[in-house]
Amino acid sequence: DTEVTQTPKHLVMGMTNKKSLKCEQHMGHRAMYWYKQKAKKPPELMFVYSYEKLSINESVPSRFSPECPNSSLLNLHLHALQPEDSALYLCASSQVATRGETQYFGPGTRLLVL
Amino acid sequence: QKEVEQNSGPLSVPEGAIASLNCTYSDRGSQSFFWYRQYSGKSPELIMFIYSNGDKEDGRFTAQLNKASQYVSLLIRDSQPSDSATYLCAVGTSDYGGSQGNLIFGKGTKLSVKP
Repeated sequence: DTEVTQTPKHLVMGMTNKKSLKCEQHMGHRAMYWYKQKAKKPPELMFVYSYEKLSINESVPSRFSPECPNSSLLNLHLHALQPEDSALYLCASSQVATRGETQYFGPGTRLLVL
Repeated sequence: QKEVEQNSGPLSVPEGAIASLNCTYSDRGSQSFFWYRQYSGKSPELIMFIYSNGDKEDGRFTAQLNKASQYVSLLIRDSQPSDSATYLCAVGTSDYGGSQGNLIFGKGTKLSVKP
């Protein structure tokens, strides 16, 4: 089973709202990722967690705050977002986070910021 | 700057034909190569991965890797309209923790299979 689940599927929020995106995998993977994808563009890496520790932060604005409560769960807390943050947010996982391991993507959360 | 280049397309092929998708990469130290399929509005789905030079076949899909030429391709035999999607080439970086993360994605090639 190579399933990564994400909730919610869709989210509409105002610029003053606080919301969270959730991601879960039960494959025993120890690396989890957040990507942002705009229309007709490839996924853009935001964060990498390796063994529940943040290992890569691709200079993402502080209005995005990741959290990894345990090895199966990954959250992305959103606060004071801008309309340009509207995108598909993808979670992925891999066995470990070294040298290009195979990454499996969840279905994504489509976010609209008004 | 480590890069992965793909022809953005669209690549249009008739049903039943072979679709050939190509990808070049700049990091000579890369060791892992992936093809993802992405339908409009959906998330990327892993189609194939390849680590060694040569061909790797899985059903109607064949991945080809030539590390000397820094070239990887995906062939889809007996193309079906359901294969119409964007195909993303992704390359594993040679150094963990680099500024590009550990997978670099190409911009994708849009494939259209006409009935």
